[in-house]
Amino acid sequence: GQNIDQPTEMTATEGAIVQINCTYQTSGFNGLFWYQQHAGEAPTFLSYNVLDGLEEKGRFSSFLSRSKGYSYLLLKELQMKDSASYLCAVKVNNFNKFYFGSGTKLNVKP
Amino acid sequence: GAVVSQHPSRVICKSGTSVKIECRSLDFQATTMFWYRQFPKKSLMLMATSNEGSKATYEQGVEKDKFLINHASLTLSTLTVTSAHPEDSSFYICSARNRDLPPVSYNEQFFGPGTRLTVL
Repeated sequence: GQNIDQPTEMTATEGAIVQINCTYQTSGFNGLFWYQQHAGEAPTFLSYNVLDGLEEKGRFSSFLSRSKGYSYLLLKELQMKDSASYLCAVKVNNFNKFYFGSGTKLNVKP
Repeated sequence: GAVVSQHPSRVICKSGTSVKIECRSLDFQATTMFWYRQFPKKSLMLMATSNEGSKATYEQGVEKDKFLINHASLTLSTLTVTSAHPEDSSFYICSARNRDLPPVSYNEQFFGPGTRLTVL
């Protein structure tokens, strides 16, 4: 089976940096994705890692360690609009399916 | 861009009726579409993989006779919730893979806006 874990909820201050962790145990790992989802809306793509290391995209960075089954999403210079749920998703080889973690609700306060 | 639409966006039905939800890729062809359901404050749970021209592949624990999936064309997949009950009330989201993108692509799945189903 697939097991993907994230913290349920986090709170951070506007302008600060926050790191959201994701650990996974899957078979046929073929990439890890991070999505942002506002309540009642579809997830939107943030980042993708398939090799170990850090991928940076503006205020967002994502890190992957395949040997440890671990990833994190780093958000810098937090803005109020960053308040949302952040979903970690693992792609597996079989039919290129995605399995999602439970999501981390991020609350950004002034 | 790659746009995926869902219809309806919101539906309320009586218990025992069937509801059909459509998922369309508007500007690309999708050989594979995925159906997810999401309970309040929970993450997406993969229900099934829909492949154009063939039977859907269901995840363990998902009743194929209750959640009928049809992928009749490269731009349309439908999910029919048969004999709906209140416990089927959920947010249903589809996603589609662009068949023209390379196998390893940064933005592989494009999500629809979701359908809120409420069964009374």
